[in-house]
Amino acid sequence: DQQVKQNSPSLSVQEGRISILNCDYTNSMFDYFLWYKKYPAEGPTFLISISSIKDKNEDGRFTVFLNKSAKHLSLHIVPSQPGDSAVYFCAASPGGYQKVTFGTGTKLQVIP
Amino acid sequence: EPEVTQTPSHQVTQMGQEVILRCVPISNHLYFYWYRQILGQKVEFLVSFYNNEISEKSEIFDDQFSVERPDGSNFTLKIRSTKLEDSAMYFCASSEVSLYGYTFGSGTRLTVV
Repeated sequence: DQQVKQNSPSLSVQEGRISILNCDYTNSMFDYFLWYKKYPAEGPTFLISISSIKDKNEDGRFTVFLNKSAKHLSLHIVPSQPGDSAVYFCAASPGGYQKVTFGTGTKLQVIP
Repeated sequence: EPEVTQTPSHQVTQMGQEVILRCVPISNHLYFYWYRQILGQKVEFLVSFYNNEISEKSEIFDDQFSVERPDGSNFTLKIRSTKLEDSAMYFCASSEVSLYGYTFGSGTRLTVV
């Protein structure tokens, strides 16, 4: 049962352009949504999060949008940089310290 | 910056053997987790641990798995009798209370042969 889905396994974007990574979820109990970035042979690194009471959260070049009615969130990276090349995991949790459920990841490649 | 430390970085073991994966969480964190990622698949939750007991576990975390906090600093994952399908990257994570403080270690690659 895949509660968090990232339908695009990979994405290529030119440096300087916008990268948009998408994520869908099915569990209505999810209250917190997170994006993690992962390089090979390293653990996931927290990038940005959003709670269900908001529809947008911004941190520098990274913005997460949440559409609760559509159970959809997206991560926008503007402008994209070659160092952004990594696997991005969408994740969700009912909140507090409860377990985080990860999506399958999207491999982003930013082409110089 | 505080970090979660995992040892060893790579462990090779024979099928049927016991392995212990070690983690040193961030010192003031109270919640501890193990996740794993089978090659090419998503990161999967195994278990969470708080106040010296398991607070939640997944269906993957069967009787072959156990966790322990033997002293004030280490958090271990034991697999009693490893199977080939246990081969994966195992990530330890810790947090204070909120999800914002959720920090992962760099992982232990377990290869069962």
